Order: sequence, then structure tokens, then C-alpha cells
Amino acid sequence: KAGVTQTPRYLIKTRGQQVTLSCSPISGHRSVSWYQQTPGQGLQFLFEYFSETQRNKGNFPGRFSGRQFSNSRSEMNVSTLELGDSALYLCASSVGQNPSTDTQYFGPGTRLTVL
Amino acid sequence: GDSVTQMEGPVTLSEEAFLTINCTYTATGYPSLFWYVQYPGEGLQLLLKATKADDKGSNKGFEATYRKETTSFHLEKGSVQVSDSAVYFCALSDWDSNYQLIWGAGTKLIIKP
Repeated sequence: KAGVTQTPRYLIKTRGQQVTLSCSPISGHRSVSWYQQTPGQGLQFLFEYFSETQRNKGNFPGRFSGRQFSNSRSEMNVSTLELGDSALYLCASSVGQNPSTDTQYFGPGTRLTVL
Repeated sequence: GDSVTQMEGPVTLSEEAFLTINCTYTATGYPSLFWYVQYPGEGLQLLLKATKADDKGSNKGFEATYRKETTSFHLEKGSVQVSDSAVYFCALSDWDSNYQLIWGAGTKLIIKP
């Protein structure tokens, strides 16, 4: 079974621009979560989508948004980029039916650099 | 709120040494506990997990036991290899976090031949 895929793997943007990252979950998985990883803050939860609905949200500003499509693929958008948004953005998928026992499987990440 | 504390790294060991990476947690409920590993330039891979007290997770020679009395989930391996060099993350999920993963800071492991 194919794993979680993320595109693109690397991105370079300038301050003020916007960016869209894409995530394709494992086949049959309906939940997609997004995390930001930085050296200073470590791993932080952004949001989770299940069956096209945002089910959970972390403590990030409204510049960070996402959506999920009917095929469970998800996109994350960051508007008005700031230098501090430079990070590795990780997507994880899970079956999603029983969050208390689900295991999240991660993609390789998208490395975003903001200049 | 929930939190996870890991021992600071880097941890440097010689090949075939015994490994312990400490992880303790704070949670209001009954969390599930996880160890993930991140190899250089890659995403996170689930190494092992345990969902209730006294459960032992194991994979690839690594083990961790869910100890509710000490709120710990220490990672151990009897004989490490150079290929085990990576960053190891302890994490938990429970109802208080809406079952999203709460992460430790990560412990970098360096194995010297």
C-alpha cells in the first residue's frame, strides 16, 4: 500500500507571498492532520480534517488554512508568508473512525523556506 | 494540559551499546503513547506504541513499556547499530488533546562504529 505523499518536497518563497501544500493520504484513510516542525518550537499541530470537515485546530493564526477533498486529499495554505513560517510541514493520515486508537502515518514533509 | 518530556540529546553511544531514552508524560486521561523516529531528511515513522497501562510496544529490537505509576514510556534497545542514528520523538494522544499528538522535544541519537 502506498504511503502518505506530499508535494512539493521543497519550496522557496518570499515574504508576503502565499503558498499551497498538498497531501495525499494512504488509501482508505479519511483523516489528515498537519504539523509544523521547527528547530525552536519542535512539532506543533496545525489542524485535522476528517471527511472534508475540519475536526480539530491548533493555535495558529488565521493565515494558516486547509481543506480536504472528497477523495481525502488535503491542501494547506499559508497566506502573507513571514520569515518565521520557514519550517518542515508534515502531513499525517489515519483511518479516522476511532481517534482514541488510531495511529497516524506521516509523509516525508514539505520543506518551506521563506526569504 | 497534556505534555511530554524527553531527555535532552544528543545521546552518543558506541555500536552494540545498550540504549535508554527517557520519556515521561503528564495527562489528565488515559493516553496512548508513541515513539516515532525521524531519519535525516525524512518524515516521521512510527516505531512503536502502547495504548494502556503495562502494555509493551516493540519493533526492530526497540521496546517501551507503558508505566502508569511512574507516567513513563522509556525507549530501550539492547544493542544499537549505526543505522539507528536518528531523532526519536515520544508522543501521546488522549481526549484532552482531542486525540492529536502532543510531542516531546525529540532526542538525537548518534551511534559511532
